[in-house]
Amino acid sequence: DGGITQSPKYLFRKEGQNVTLSCEQNLNHDAMYWYRQDPGQGLRLIYYSQIVNDFQKGDIAEGYSVSREKKESFPLTVTSAQKNPTAFYLCASSSPGANYGYTFGSGTRLTVV
Amino acid sequence: QKEVEQNSGPLSVPEGAIASLNCTYSDRVSQSFFWYRQYSGKSPELIMSIYSNGDKEDGRFTAQLNKASQYVSLLIRDSQPSDSATYLCAGSRNFNKFYFGSGTKLNVKP
Repeated sequence: DGGITQSPKYLFRKEGQNVTLSCEQNLNHDAMYWYRQDPGQGLRLIYYSQIVNDFQKGDIAEGYSVSREKKESFPLTVTSAQKNPTAFYLCASSSPGANYGYTFGSGTRLTVV
Repeated sequence: QKEVEQNSGPLSVPEGAIASLNCTYSDRVSQSFFWYRQYSGKSPELIMSIYSNGDKEDGRFTAQLNKASQYVSLLIRDSQPSDSATYLCAGSRNFNKFYFGSGTKLNVKP
């Protein structure tokens, strides 16, 4: 079945540590996105990528980094510079030019310990 | 002004009633609009999309778009307890970048 796989489902980060969230899709979508969701709030865009080897900052990119070396993969690194990383992270993909909306992964819940 | 705005609720309706969810948007979001349902602790799932003025129906769901007034709404007929969730409205500036409202929490009481 086609879809987006995020891993891990739960992740714990120590102070000063970098962690990487995985996102893989087999939908052949060109565009991929990372969103952050805090309790009771909507989704805020961190980074997005429309093609391989290219990505753009979203509204809250500080303290995060991404790469897009393969069409299927768009990992997100939460660096130690992100001072408040505890949140629910959602990866999504879409087909450019198509009005089908996003397909979301199941999310990664990151907690600072 | 945020690109997409929603009333956070909660909106409470009795089982079998019509639930009406509303969303307004700015000039920067103008092309396509989407409604997502999100259960607690889960990722959003797409319910409806709408691109043209007027109504679009799919089963118990009807999306309405009014571009002149810049609002989008979602009607849920015959509401069920299983419809209890947060509903996110999203709009696109271009086909590759969507903006989400903060969501409206719906409670359907048996």
